[in-house]
Amino acid sequence: NAGVTQTPKFRVLKTGQSMTLLCAQDMNHEYMYWYRQDPGMGLRLIHYSVGEGTTAKGEVPDGYNVSRLKKQNFLLGLESAAPSQTSVYFCASSLGGLAEETQYFGPGTRLLVL
Amino acid sequence: GQSLEQPSEVTAVEGAIVQINCTYQTSGFYGLSWYQQHDGGAPTFLSYNALDGLEETGRFSSFLSRSDSYGYLLLQELQMKDSASYFCAVQRYSTLTFGKGTMLLVSP
Repeated sequence: NAGVTQTPKFRVLKTGQSMTLLCAQDMNHEYMYWYRQDPGMGLRLIHYSVGEGTTAKGEVPDGYNVSRLKKQNFLLGLESAAPSQTSVYFCASSLGGLAEETQYFGPGTRLLVL
Repeated sequence: GQSLEQPSEVTAVEGAIVQINCTYQTSGFYGLSWYQQHDGGAPTFLSYNALDGLEETGRFSSFLSRSDSYGYLLLQELQMKDSASYFCAVQRYSTLTFGKGTMLLVSP
């Protein structure tokens, strides 16, 4: 049982390049989330999904797109990377999104945009 | 909107007790969670309070006062491995909004 995994672990991009971050979970969780974490800013929600085929915007969605084609995978896309998107990206999942449920986090993807 | 306030840094010595406070402003409040994050690692769940009062889990306890929009995390018998960042987070519908985190430094 791997929990939540993220690919890649680290990436360097040039401004304007595109990339996709992959999140996978093997816990059969319905809800999945993408966060970004910047120094002194805590974790901010980018997008989330309440089930296969659904997506919703979080607090900071601009410049990102997501897809949830399969229940176990949640993809985060950057169509045209900007230096402001340099950050650590965390994916998380929870069983059903109920208030008392734990969110399980992946190990993170460190992205540097030059 | 939503906002959470917690101290940016707290220092303590091994064996001591430390309290990390969190005040929040939000609508549609369901509960208050606490997460721990070691440097370079992923956040991990510590506790959740939906109702007023104290929840105890081993050396860690968490308190909530809904009327005061206030909560705290209490860490007892501090150990060096407790040095980490601690985030409070308000549960609103199906999402969490995190505070900016409190860095706890435990010294020998």
